[in-house]
Amino acid sequence: GQQVMQIPQYQHVQEGEDFTTYCNSSTTLSNIQWYKQRPGGHPVFLIQLVKSGEVKKQKRLTFQFGEAKKNSSLHITATQTTDVGTYFCAVNTGNQFYFGTGTSLTVIP
Amino acid sequence: DGGITQSPKYLFRKEGQNVTLSCEQNLNHDAMYWYRQDPGQGLRLIYYSQIVNDFQKGDIAEGYSVSREKKESFPLTVTSAQKNPTAFYLCATDRGSNQPQHFGDGTRLSIL
Repeated sequence: GQQVMQIPQYQHVQEGEDFTTYCNSSTTLSNIQWYKQRPGGHPVFLIQLVKSGEVKKQKRLTFQFGEAKKNSSLHITATQTTDVGTYFCAVNTGNQFYFGTGTSLTVIP
Repeated sequence: DGGITQSPKYLFRKEGQNVTLSCEQNLNHDAMYWYRQDPGQGLRLIYYSQIVNDFQKGDIAEGYSVSREKKESFPLTVTSAQKNPTAFYLCATDRGSNQPQHFGDGTRLSIL
C-alpha cells in the first residue's frame, strides 16, 4: 500500500518554542490531510492541501504542500500546552486513507 | 465526532472468543472505515465500505470480519483467528473520496 513517512516520531518542546512535523511520500499525491489526536481521544481533521506549493494557516499552525506534491509539513509557532497530542498526515488514494505514523508532541510548561 | 457512536468503550476478550465492536452513524455518510491503532504505528486500515452490502479488505484484514447491511451501521468482529487483538479500534466515516474523515471515540480491546 501507499507509504507515508512521518518524522519525527516524538518531539518535546518548551512552551513557547516552535514545532514542525514532516510527511514524505515516494509518489506524487493528489492531496494530503492533517489530523490531531489528543491523548486518549480520536483523530480530528485539521486541514486538507490540494495544490502544489499550497500554504494554509490556522492561527499559529502553518501547513505546506511541497511543489512536487510529495511532501508536506505542519509548523506550530510558539507552542502552548493545548497543542499537546499526536499529529498525523493522511493521504487518500481514492478508496483508502493511508496515515503517517504520527508525531507525538509534548509541551513542557 | 458527534454523529458516530462506537460501543463499548472498553472490551475484554477471552481466548478463543469472537467479539463484535459496534459503529453507528447518523451523518448520512456513504463510506465507513475500521482502523486499528497500536502505539507508535499510527492508524492501519482493517476494512472499509463505500456502499451498503459491499466492503473491501484493508491492509490488515486477517482475523477480522465486517458487515454493512445498513448505511448507518458497520460492525467489526474480531475473531479468535486474530492472535494479537489488543489495540485501540477506531471507526470513521466520510462523504466520499478526498473528503475529511470523522471518527468515533474508539473501543479499547484487551485480552483476558
